[in-house]
Amino acid sequence: RKEVEQDPGPFNVPEGATVAFNCTYSNSASQSFFWYRQDCRKEPKLLMSVYSSGNEDGRFTAQLNRASQYISLLIRDSKLSDSATYLCAVNPFNSGYSTLTFGKGTMLLVSP
Amino acid sequence: GAVVSQHPSWVICKSGTSVKIECRSLDFQATTMFWYRQFPKQSLMLMATSNEGSKATYEQGVEKDKFLINHASLTLSTLTVTSAHPEDSSFYICSARDLGYSNQPQHFGDGTRLSIL
Repeated sequence: RKEVEQDPGPFNVPEGATVAFNCTYSNSASQSFFWYRQDCRKEPKLLMSVYSSGNEDGRFTAQLNRASQYISLLIRDSKLSDSATYLCAVNPFNSGYSTLTFGKGTMLLVSP
Repeated sequence: GAVVSQHPSWVICKSGTSVKIECRSLDFQATTMFWYRQFPKQSLMLMATSNEGSKATYEQGVEKDKFLINHASLTLSTLTVTSAHPEDSSFYICSARDLGYSNQPQHFGDGTRLSIL
């Protein structure tokens, strides 16, 4: 089993739709989790951290399910500008000195 | 504002040239920085972990003599692609985390698009 797995997509949705992505991780000791957004030909940018209690930032909601070892990202009222690749990232070693483990990303395409 | 600065953002040069890319953490100290490479339509690939004051740790399959890493201070790491060839053309991205905080995300530089003719 890969350390961090994501459905590569693409997810094609119309504007205004709600879409959700999941990301599974293999290391049950992982402590910190993040969602990044990467636009075409650009660097990844932090979208939001994922807290144990779940967190919401505007149209974006992130949740953590430790029992099933996955994190999720929900996007409500999709905008054209939400089209991007969404990467999940996990800190498998609970250390500030090691790289996060990134998924390969899920591509989202929002159409008019 | 940006917390990790990478320079240059774009390089086009002839085959055989060596290219140096700089990565700076702007408002925090980074004992460790990370260098990634990304080919078109592919995922991020970690190349090496840069450690301040010591040798970098390279991922399997990455030639350390080809990709020289120097991390001379807590805010600066450099990657030099030596004798670059067309197959080295790629998007190189550095990243850093705030020193010692395990729950902090990684911040990425803007990336360097390298094209070798």
